[in-house]
Amino acid sequence: DAGVIQSPRHEVTEMGQEVTLRCKPISGHNSLFWYRQTMMRGLELLIYFNNNVPIDDSGMPEDRFSAKMPNASFSTLKIQPSEPRDSAVYFCASSFRGYAEAFFGQGTRLTVV
Amino acid sequence: AQSVTQLGSHVSVSEGALVLLRCNYSSSVPPYLFWYVQYPNQGLQLLLKYTSAATLVKGINGFEAEFKKSETSFHLTKPSAHMSDAAEYFCAVSTNAGGTSYGKLTFGQGTILTVHP
Repeated sequence: DAGVIQSPRHEVTEMGQEVTLRCKPISGHNSLFWYRQTMMRGLELLIYFNNNVPIDDSGMPEDRFSAKMPNASFSTLKIQPSEPRDSAVYFCASSFRGYAEAFFGQGTRLTVV
Repeated sequence: AQSVTQLGSHVSVSEGALVLLRCNYSSSVPPYLFWYVQYPNQGLQLLLKYTSAATLVKGINGFEAEFKKSETSFHLTKPSAHMSDAAEYFCAVSTNAGGTSYGKLTFGQGTILTVHP
């Protein structure tokens, strides 16, 4: 299995621009998670989906952030408009119901200038 | 609610010495506990997990951890450190509240392990 695949690996954008991060979970996993990692706040859970349905989005920082999961093999995290304080590494992770661990992608390093 | 506290943001050991990374958790229901490792510019990789079976859990790369309910602890150990163990380590907790919360991990702040020659 290829594992969780995220794209792009690096993204540099100007303040005010729209940013879309993409994730392909491990085949057969039915839970998907978006995390954000910063030096100041550590790892934060932004949102998670179960069977393509958002279960908990209480970690999404603002209305500028939105996430979708149109099918079991694809999810996006969108920031519009982006701000410098959104600069962070964004991780996608997936897990299989009945197992407790999540498997992480390599992350997308976002820099907003 | 669940939470994790990792004692010590930085730990430094000599190569060949014992590695001990501390983790305490808080959970109102029986927890699942994990240790992850993160190498620079990489994602998080699962080292080991406790899911209510044996309290002493063995993981990859010679690491192990012991679940102590009375102490609400899940410390990570390795008898002999290797240079390649230098990384950041995260303790995490999750609970099975109806099944849909599997994988909803709450992480500690991480401990950076430095290994000196």
